[in-house]
Amino acid sequence: KAGVTQTPRYLIKTRGQQVTLSCSPISGHRSVSWYQQTPGQGLQFLFEYFSETQRNKGNFPGRFSGRQFSNSRSEMNVSTLELGDSALYLCASSRDRDSYEQYFGPGTRLTVT
Amino acid sequence: QKEVEQDPGPLSVPEGAIVSLNCTYSNSAFQYFMWYRQYSRKGPDLLMYTYSSGNKEDGRFTAQVDKSSKYISLFIRDSQPSDSATYLCAPRNFGNEKLTFGTGTRLTIIP
Repeated sequence: KAGVTQTPRYLIKTRGQQVTLSCSPISGHRSVSWYQQTPGQGLQFLFEYFSETQRNKGNFPGRFSGRQFSNSRSEMNVSTLELGDSALYLCASSRDRDSYEQYFGPGTRLTVT
Repeated sequence: QKEVEQDPGPLSVPEGAIVSLNCTYSNSAFQYFMWYRQYSRKGPDLLMYTYSSGNKEDGRFTAQVDKSSKYISLFIRDSQPSDSATYLCAPRNFGNEKLTFGTGTRLTIIP
C-alpha cells in the first residue's frame, strides 16, 4: 500500500510570492492534516480537512489556507511568503476523524529567500 | 507555558543501554498519547500509542502514561544504532485529529 505522498519535495521561493503544496493521502484515508515543522517551534498544527471541509485550524495567519478535493487529496497554499515561512511542511492522513493513527508523508521543504 | 514540554536533548547513550524519554503536558483533556520517531530528512513515523494511564509494551519499546502527574515516558531497551532518531511525544483529545507535539528529543546510540 502506497504511503502519503507530497509534492514537490523541495521548493525555493522569494519573499512576497505564493506557493501551493500538494498531498495525496493513503488510499481509503479521508482525513488530511497539515503541520509546519521548524527548528525553533517544532511541529505545529496548521489545519485538518475531512470530507472536503476544514474541521480544525491552528494558530496561523490567514495567509495559510488549504482545501481538500473529493478524492481526499489536499493542497495547502501560502500567500505573500515571509522568511519565517521557511520550514518543512508535513501532511498526515488517517482513515477517519477519530482514527488515532496518523501517517505522515516525507514533507515539502520550503525555503523562502 | 507550552501544552507539551519535552527535553530537546541531544541525548547520547552507548549501544545496549536503556533509554528513557519523557514529556510533560498541561491539558488534562488529552486521552491518547502517541510517540513518533523521525529520522533525518523524513516525516515522523508512528511508533506506538497508549490510551489513558498505564503501560504498553511493543518489543523493545514501552510507553508509560501517568495522567495524575501529566507525565509521559518512552523506554527503549537494548538500544541499537538504528534507534538513533528524534522522538516526539504527541498527545491528543478523543475525536480531535489535532496532534500537539513536543519539541522532540534527538537521540544518538553510540556503537
